[in-house]
Amino acid sequence: EAQVTQNPRYLITVTGKKLTVTCSQNMNHEYMSWYRQDPGLGLRQIYYSMNVEVTDKGDVPEGYKVSRKEKRNFPLILESPSPNQTSLYFCASSPGSAGYEQYFGPGTRLTVT
Amino acid sequence: KQEVTQIPAALSVPEGENLVLNCSFTDSAIYNLQWFRQDPGKGLTSLLLIQSSQREQTSGRLNASLDKSSGRSTLYIAASQPGDSATYLCAVKHTNAGKSTFGDGTTLTVKP
Repeated sequence: EAQVTQNPRYLITVTGKKLTVTCSQNMNHEYMSWYRQDPGLGLRQIYYSMNVEVTDKGDVPEGYKVSRKEKRNFPLILESPSPNQTSLYFCASSPGSAGYEQYFGPGTRLTVT
Repeated sequence: KQEVTQIPAALSVPEGENLVLNCSFTDSAIYNLQWFRQDPGKGLTSLLLIQSSQREQTSGRLNASLDKSSGRSTLYIAASQPGDSATYLCAVKHTNAGKSTFGDGTTLTVKP
């Protein structure tokens, strides 16, 4: 089944403890992206990747890192999480960067205490 | 900076009614516009994608239109059903094709 998967789906952690949220797609898509969704602020783009080894900042990249070493994986790294990074995170992918639908993963609910 | 606005923020209608959701954007330099549906606590499901060169797209009871010059898109839902209850989001893909901007969504409730 064609899908975008994220792990973990739920995570509660403490301030400053490094964590990684994984994202994987099995559709051979070139483009992948991370978003966060917060009440009253909607969905905001964190980082995106046009292809392997090509990443760029979205609108809210502060406090996050990404890497794209393989086409199928696009992990989101929080090196020193803070409570203001408590959010619902979504990974998305599409066949290319322009002209294609984005397909979303199920989301990761992160709580930083 | 691209800004996307969706009006109304919430809408409640009786079953069977036809309805229109609105999405407006400030910068007409877009590649495409995509409509999504989000159920509570769930991910986003793609409904329709309209390329910047297109005027409308249809899928079943859904019809989306795009007027790029005026910065507006509408999602028309015909003969609404309780199962249509969800939040509907629109997103524009910038001509810098990596970037997307989402609206805050319209939460639709269809009452039986």
